[in-house]
Amino acid sequence: GAGVSQSPSNKVTEKGKDVELRCDPISGHTALYWYRQSLGQGLEFLIYFQGNSAPDKSGLPSDRFSAERTGGSVSTLTIQRTQQEDSAVYLCASSPRQGASSGIPVSYEQYFGPGTRLTVT
Amino acid sequence: AQTVTQSQPEMSVQEAETVTLSCTYDTSESDYYLFWYKQPPSRQMILVIRQEAYKQQNATENRFSVNFQKAAKSFSLKISDSQLGDAAMYFCAYRSASGIQGAQKLVFGQGTRLTINP
Repeated sequence: GAGVSQSPSNKVTEKGKDVELRCDPISGHTALYWYRQSLGQGLEFLIYFQGNSAPDKSGLPSDRFSAERTGGSVSTLTIQRTQQEDSAVYLCASSPRQGASSGIPVSYEQYFGPGTRLTVT
Repeated sequence: AQTVTQSQPEMSVQEAETVTLSCTYDTSESDYYLFWYKQPPSRQMILVIRQEAYKQQNATENRFSVNFQKAAKSFSLKISDSQLGDAAMYFCAYRSASGIQGAQKLVFGQGTRLTINP
């Protein structure tokens, strides 16, 4: 089946502009994660969505970053007033519902998309 | 907070030889999962192998195996019969087994770039 998809593949924007990055998780996966991969900071967790629960936003670096997940599927990561330090690859991952209450064995594997390379000039 | 350390920024190996990538981690938890992910130039993170901390037996997946030393908090990856297609960045990652909010994220090491010499 189809894997995690992300768009755009590459995005170049001017400093101060807003950008939106999109993630389409694997169908049926209820958990969705955003990570950022940059030269200086390595791979960092940004935000996590699980079903209808409140998202874990603990990794968002500033209030310029926000994300939403509509209908429990597609997610959009928005960066407002972009700065040069926002330049990075933004990776999205999804996984099936976590926990025995789902009736499905705990599945801890995260399936990653190809990422969006963001360059802020 | 948990941390993961990969002390080898770069490694190289001759094709068909064996190479071991190192990873150590720090945690106060007793139940967790460890992973090795491969990232080729395409940027796609691919799961290579995983280990549950409660399992004493080391995980193996074809040419890939791990040496999991829980007391030493060490989790190395051994690649046997290296192939040109194994060339990539390799990331070691930790995930808590806790169900509490904030525990589901992966914590990654800095990565090791593996080069395969023909």
